[in-house]
Amino acid sequence: DAGVTQSPTHLIKTRGQQVTLRCSPKSGHDTVSWYQQALGQGPQFIFQYYEEEERQRGNFPDRFSGHQFPNYSSELNVNALLLGDSALYLCASHPQDTGNTIYFGEGSWLTVV
Amino acid sequence: QKEVEQDPGPLSVPEGAIVSLNCTYSNSAFQYFMWYRQYSRKGPELLMYTYSSGNKEDGRFTAQVDKSSKYISLFIRDSQPSDSATYLCAMSGGTNAGKSTFGDGTTLTVKP
Repeated sequence: DAGVTQSPTHLIKTRGQQVTLRCSPKSGHDTVSWYQQALGQGPQFIFQYYEEEERQRGNFPDRFSGHQFPNYSSELNVNALLLGDSALYLCASHPQDTGNTIYFGEGSWLTVV
Repeated sequence: QKEVEQDPGPLSVPEGAIVSLNCTYSNSAFQYFMWYRQYSRKGPELLMYTYSSGNKEDGRFTAQVDKSSKYISLFIRDSQPSDSATYLCAMSGGTNAGKSTFGDGTTLTVKP
């Protein structure tokens, strides 16, 4: 049983560019949450998707957007990249009705130069 | 001030020691309390979760929650070098732990 898978693992982008990160949830999970983890800090909640809609959002600007597909996979898009967007981006999944056991992927390391 | 505060460490202990990791929080709405382990450059792994106040034990790990003091702890008994990692506490206000508030983690090193 595959867990949460994310791609790409590492990427380098230039300021002002756009990036798309992808996530496939664990089998049986229909809810996906995205987090940003800067070096030396804990993960910060970006947003959550369920039934292809954004259900909750953290304190992140509109440059951060997402999408969930019918197969429950999800994308995180970040526009107009800033140096401060350099971080580990984590995807977490869980069933909607049992949200206290969430599974994280290994993350996508984004470096903005 | 952050909603969740965690001692950053680093914490270094000899193999076999008892380790105590702690977090404090300010939001009274938090009801679910989780501990994650994160190895270097990897995603967090859920160790334990507790609902409301009380203790929960799982093998060498014990989680304690004191809601009256807004204080949670994770104890690791008979610590092993493989326990060396960053430990993150996390909390959520309801059954949807997909939206959790994390501490910044405590880095633990267990020396053989």
